[in-house]
Amino acid sequence: EPEVTQTPSHQVTQMGQEVILRCVPISNHLYFYWYRQILGQKVEFLVSFYNNEISEKSEIFDDQFSVERPDGSNFTLKIRSTKLEDSAMYFCASVLPPQETQYFGPGTRLLVL
Amino acid sequence: LAKTTQPISMDSYEGQEVNITCSHNNIATNDYITWYQQFPSQGPRFIIQGYKTKVTNEVASLFIPADRKSSTLSLPRVSLSDTAVYYCLVVFSGGYQKVTFGTGTKLQVIP
Repeated sequence: EPEVTQTPSHQVTQMGQEVILRCVPISNHLYFYWYRQILGQKVEFLVSFYNNEISEKSEIFDDQFSVERPDGSNFTLKIRSTKLEDSAMYFCASVLPPQETQYFGPGTRLLVL
Repeated sequence: LAKTTQPISMDSYEGQEVNITCSHNNIATNDYITWYQQFPSQGPRFIIQGYKTKVTNEVASLFIPADRKSSTLSLPRVSLSDTAVYYCLVVFSGGYQKVTFGTGTKLQVIP
């Protein structure tokens, strides 16, 4: 069964450093999403992406965040200058229309020190 | 987006059937009901989705009454490995919008 994959599984970084989280969505999916989950809290929406454009973003997704689909397979989330509060699990998800189901990846655990 | 309400936690013994009910009073005509399962430090995993009546797959059943203001996820004969958080989500059809997670139901299966 096709799966969403994410790399790395864990990342430790220093505050102020840039990080890039990578996702490979299911191959024929068209809509892509990033969510995050701070330890012990709800899964929160960050951004959705379709046709090489951001279609929706949350208040969390400020100027420090950016997304890209550089090569038609990878979908990346960049955090330019990490803060302590960016420590969380980051999940990528994808959808194939006309189905509505979002399929999630296993996540990247980001720890900012 | 319709708000969902589900119990915070449930306990069940191994081998029993577990029913988790979710209320979604403000569900709209084009909304689907979707359930996800999440283990600690893992991504949410799709379990089942339905619009009305009953849907069954190899892992669960979903019962949705005619008024669609609630739904019940049924897990037959749970095992210890079913210990997880279960999320009920209302998903808008056709918009491919974000999904909004609540706090979910933490199911603890007891030996």
